[in-house]
Amino acid sequence: EPEVTQTPSHQVTQMGQEVILRCVPISNHLYFYWYRQILGQKVEFLVSFYNNEISEKSEIFDDQFSVERPDGSNFTLKIRSTKLEDSAMYFCASRGGPYYTEAFFGQGTRLTVV
Amino acid sequence: SQELEQSPQSLIVQEGKNLTINCTSSKTLYGLYWYKQKYGEGLIFLMMLQKGGEEKSHEKITAKLDEKKQQSSLHITASQPSHAGIYLCGAPRGSNYQLIWGAGTKLIIKP
Repeated sequence: EPEVTQTPSHQVTQMGQEVILRCVPISNHLYFYWYRQILGQKVEFLVSFYNNEISEKSEIFDDQFSVERPDGSNFTLKIRSTKLEDSAMYFCASRGGPYYTEAFFGQGTRLTVV
Repeated sequence: SQELEQSPQSLIVQEGKNLTINCTSSKTLYGLYWYKQKYGEGLIFLMMLQKGGEEKSHEKITAKLDEKKQQSSLHITASQPSHAGIYLCGAPRGSNYQLIWGAGTKLIIKP
């Protein structure tokens, strides 16, 4: 069964450092997303990506965040200068088509900023 | 902005018993997704409901969408330990159908 793969599963970084979270979406999917979940809180939408550009982003997704699909398979989330409050579980998701289709999620990357 | 409220927040159920989890939206629902979350396993898709009155079942889990009440319910029959986890509802919105989420219902099954 196809699946979304995220690496690493856990990353610890020092405040102010840059981190890149990696995702390999399902190969024929067209829509890609990043979500995050701070411990004990709701899952929050960060950004959606389609046709090699950002389609929509939330207020959380400020200038410190960026996404890229560099090679047609990987989908990355970069946080330029991490803050303590960036500590969360980050989920990547992909979808084959718009509207009423299932979004497949990766297992998440737990980011801990110290 | 749209908010999803799930109830109950947590639930402890004796194995073999039935249970229901609810998800209520502050705005009209144009579909509703149910996912299950277990630590280390990400978000596992359970069901997607598109239209008011729609009901879907998979194994012992049934979900229904009541558009007029802006609510969806998830019902588990004869619960098993494998049903334990956090159940999340998500409502699609935006140009790319990103999901907004409820806070989750934590389900514990007592043997």
